[in-house]
Amino acid sequence: KQEVTQIPAALSVPEGENLVLNCSFTDSAIYNLQWFRQDPGKGLTSLLLIQSSQREQTSGRLNASLDKSSGRSTLYIAASQPGDSATYLCAVRRHNTDKLIFGTGTRLQVFP
Amino acid sequence: GAVVSQHPSWVICKSGTSVKIECRSLDFQATTMFWYRQFPKQSLMLMATSNEGSKATYEQGVEKDKFLINHASLTLSTLTVTSAHPEDSSFYICSAGAGTTTNSPLHFGNGTRLTVT
Repeated sequence: KQEVTQIPAALSVPEGENLVLNCSFTDSAIYNLQWFRQDPGKGLTSLLLIQSSQREQTSGRLNASLDKSSGRSTLYIAASQPGDSATYLCAVRRHNTDKLIFGTGTRLQVFP
Repeated sequence: GAVVSQHPSWVICKSGTSVKIECRSLDFQATTMFWYRQFPKQSLMLMATSNEGSKATYEQGVEKDKFLINHASLTLSTLTVTSAHPEDSSFYICSAGAGTTTNSPLHFGNGTRLTVT
């Protein structure tokens, strides 16, 4: 059974810091991995999608890496801003299925 | 980009009543939609996979007679919580994929906050 864990569970930093959020999964037979952002009481916004054959994806200040063999992904946020405050979720999709298995989430707070 | 609209955004109902939540893909066709449930400060739990024109596939432990799913068209899936009870109070989120689901990112609705009194 696939299990997805995120560390840390919560993070509070001053703005301007570079951040690393971690995601680990127990079954490396994944099709892709996706990072999402969720604001309180809202749905999910897709940030980055990494196919299993890829090593990383970048979008603006965000960079996500994937090491499938070791079951790990990291989301790097450069020069954090208060507007980055949200919960960040990673989710993996296994081969031959459309289901996403979500991680436990990291609640990020960036203060001015 | 692909947009998924979910309605209503919040609903309060009395115990014993039924509530219907709609999930629409606005600018793409979604043969498969997914329904998730999220408890406060917890992650998303997949409830069921909704397939257009066929019966939904429910995850283990999810009561299919309580959570009725209908996917009548390529742009609309509905979740009906029947005979709601306070323990059904939760945040429900739908998602849909554009194109070949396994190759493309899933897009999510903004969720529905259900409160059963």
